[in-house]
Amino acid sequence: NAGVTQTPKFQVLKTGQSMTLQCAQDMNHNSMYWYRQDPGMGLRLIYYSASEGTTDKGEVPNGYNVSRLNKREFSLRLESAAPSQTSVYFCASSELISGVLGGANVLTFGAGSRLTVL
Amino acid sequence: AQKVTQAQTEISVVEKEDVTLDCVYETRDTTYYLFWYKQPPSGELVFLIRRNSFDEQNEISGRYSWNFQKSTSSFNFTITASQVVDSAVYFCALSEAAGNQFYFGTGTSLTVIP
Repeated sequence: NAGVTQTPKFQVLKTGQSMTLQCAQDMNHNSMYWYRQDPGMGLRLIYYSASEGTTDKGEVPNGYNVSRLNKREFSLRLESAAPSQTSVYFCASSELISGVLGGANVLTFGAGSRLTVL
Repeated sequence: AQKVTQAQTEISVVEKEDVTLDCVYETRDTTYYLFWYKQPPSGELVFLIRRNSFDEQNEISGRYSWNFQKSTSSFNFTITASQVVDSAVYFCALSEAAGNQFYFGTGTSLTVIP
């Protein structure tokens, strides 16, 4: 019962370095998301993937890229890290409800990845 | 415009007091979902409840209750007889049927003092 697994849990980078946050879910969900959490800002959507093969920008996509490698995995890449990207990152997945109401199911979150950019 | 507003940034109560966390949302969709999540000091995000826009019945789960009022676009969360373990950040969120995104409020940090 792993749910959503994120790696790494902690990372310290220097400005300009690159890194990839990995996320995998074992619930066969179609939709996956990357959020960042900053004090006083709540959770802000970076990118999401409604289904395998598709990705879309969220509220704060600048400085990030994503890859939906397959149905299970959704990675977030920082090509050139900046101090403003110091944050806690959460991956999540959900399953779309089909039928009259449409919408989305419950988000299931990973444990979070704390990233510090010096 | 922010779709979900949690005006209370921080709340402190003494143990056993009741506390209500406010959530006001904004949407033009007639079909939508509202959520509450809890984030304890350990950092994980825990799902508490989901309501759809067609179900305005209030819900009670133990010491937790939720009041959904479409007329005021509010989905408030009440904890009765608060306990120290209720200390956490609570997030309200909205999902619209027309899209795949979830919109979160900025959270309310609740501290229950023993």
